[in-house]
Amino acid sequence: RKEVEQDPGPFNVPEGATVAFNCTYSNSASQSFFWYRQDCRKEPKLLMSVYSSGNEDGRFTAQLNRASQYISLLIRDSKLSDSATYLCVVNMSPGAQKLVFGQGTRLTINP
Amino acid sequence: EAGVAQSPRYKIIEKRQSVAFWCNPISGHATLYWYQQILGQGPKLLIQFQNNGVVDDSQLPKDRFSAERLKGVDSTLKIQPAKLEDSAVYLCASRAEGLAGATQYFGPGTRLLVL
Repeated sequence: RKEVEQDPGPFNVPEGATVAFNCTYSNSASQSFFWYRQDCRKEPKLLMSVYSSGNEDGRFTAQLNRASQYISLLIRDSKLSDSATYLCVVNMSPGAQKLVFGQGTRLTINP
Repeated sequence: EAGVAQSPRYKIIEKRQSVAFWCNPISGHATLYWYQQILGQGPKLLIQFQNNGVVDDSQLPKDRFSAERLKGVDSTLKIQPAKLEDSAVYLCASRAEGLAGATQYFGPGTRLLVL
């Protein structure tokens, strides 16, 4: 079983739609959780951290369910510029920050 | 603030040849990571340095890959000899020391094609 699993997509949605990505992780001792964004042929960049209480940043909402070992990302009112690959990332180490990446979910927003 | 620098940006070699990649982290960042990203997959950690010491190299194929960070600043990753399956993007990232939640910042990567 992979340490971090994501639906690879691709997801093709119209502009203005709401889209949700899910991710599961296998190690219950995982310390912290993130969503990274990676544009085509570019490096990954941190989109947002994921907290147990859930957190929101503008049109983006992240949720964590430790009991189910499940992470989600919701994008509301999607824009053309949201087209990218979204990587679910789990930190396995409390101090050294050892990140394990999912394979990514590819999203295309259509006009 | 300057970001993580990597060179070269692209490299094409034949199998069994050697290749080296260079990374200069963000100034003051003590932790440096090398990742391998194969097409269609997420980045996979190869090695992590804290200053000039290795913290984790459990996923580094040590029969052909080596890395060093002699002065605790810039780093090199070498592959010798290369195999076809080494074709990937090699990403370097750095993070400030002592902050468990601090963000890893990635460089633009070196895209390697082994023929």
